Amino acid sequence: SAVISQKPSRDICQRGTSLTIQCQVDSQVTMMFWYRQQPGQSLTLIATANQGSEATYESGFVIDKFPISRPNLTFSTLTVSNMSPEDSSIYLCSVDVGEQFFGPGTRLTVL
Amino acid sequence: SQELEQSPQSLIVQEGKNLTINCTSSKTLYGLYWYKQKYGEGLIFLMMLQKGGEEKSHEKITAKLDEKKQQSSLHITASQPSHAGIYLCGADAYSGGSNYKLTFGKGTLLTVNP
Repeated sequence: SAVISQKPSRDICQRGTSLTIQCQVDSQVTMMFWYRQQPGQSLTLIATANQGSEATYESGFVIDKFPISRPNLTFSTLTVSNMSPEDSSIYLCSVDVGEQFFGPGTRLTVL
Repeated sequence: SQELEQSPQSLIVQEGKNLTINCTSSKTLYGLYWYKQKYGEGLIFLMMLQKGGEEKSHEKITAKLDEKKQQSSLHITASQPSHAGIYLCGADAYSGGSNYKLTFGKGTLLTVNP
């Protein structure tokens, strides 16, 4: 298993600002994933973050809007840039260690 | 692309009752995950199934992947209020299960009345 923490757990932000979400894992993992869960919806994969290379984004998500860093094998950040109310969601990171585990999520509200 | 359909969308049961949630895929499942989510929180890993006919249990929760690997069921025996939450199934999006990216169903909201 893997123990994953995320910061912040929740935030309320103003339109046009940016927020960086941190994800920390208790062991070294090759692949980390960032998901978004919009209100009342299921999870949608934003991107896959590999250490030492650029993140791979899914259709509908771009690096300018969701820049990702992966400086080492236990840590990643996701930035939500130039936010609008449509970005209000829960953002979750996950890792695959044979089974896929998720962090507790970051609940973002954009006013 | 793979789609997962969960049924029912919501379920209200009396404490002590058994219940079943289904997850049906449009394609063969190569790795099927069950998670539980409390409102507004992260996902709690329950079980992962890979082989056709595989069945796993944890406490009062049992999950099974059918032989054709296109449907999974989650069964809760003698439900308790602590079982309440949203149950999500997730599956490897690509054949062979080697890409690790998961596609999710829309979830089943379970309410257990004491």
